[in-house]
Amino acid sequence: SQTIHQWPATLVQPVGSPLSLECTVEGTSNPNLYWYRQAAGRGLQLLFYSVGIGQISSEVPQNLSASRPQDRQFILSSKKLLLSDSGFYLCAWSRTGDRGYTFGSGTRLTVV
Amino acid sequence: GENVEQHPSTLSVQEGDSAVIKCTYSDSASNYFPWYKQELGKGPQLIIDIRSNVGEKKDQRIAVTLNKTAKHFSLHITETQPEDSAVYFCAASINTGNQFYFGTGTSLTVIP
Repeated sequence: SQTIHQWPATLVQPVGSPLSLECTVEGTSNPNLYWYRQAAGRGLQLLFYSVGIGQISSEVPQNLSASRPQDRQFILSSKKLLLSDSGFYLCAWSRTGDRGYTFGSGTRLTVV
Repeated sequence: GENVEQHPSTLSVQEGDSAVIKCTYSDSASNYFPWYKQELGKGPQLIIDIRSNVGEKKDQRIAVTLNKTAKHFSLHITETQPEDSAVYFCAASINTGNQFYFGTGTSLTVIP
């Protein structure tokens, strides 16, 4: 069966520090991968999505970047965090023919 | 691109009553409509989905209806229980493996 791992679960980082969140998927190949953010409200904001290794599409201009160095690995990064980067970050995967997205358990990022 | 609207943003019901959440979409090419439940501090979980060739689908106390002509779909929860309290998201996509467009979420509270 397929599983998605996302870590860390919580993170407190000072303003100006770097960020690296990692997401890996097991049990499938060539998934579509996504990074979402939830701010204080409930909405799911799409940040990045990837349909293959090295292929990254960005939905909104921001202080973050994403990379996909391996088929089932998706990394969200920042060189210098801002207070506004605080939020709940979710990784997800999908594949044509399967049922919808499967989300990871999320990372609660607090920038102080 | 696709635009998904979701109503209401908050909903309170007495335990045992029914709850209905409604969504509309704009792109007539969308053909897959999943619903997600997100409990506090966790990633969203798929609870039910419907494809455009079906008008209604049921899974125990949960049902989803789809009106392709009007471009709207709804989630129905009967005999609500306190554990149904969560944020619910609707989504629309063209096929299951592609990017989902999410509604803004409904915070459901079931009052014991």
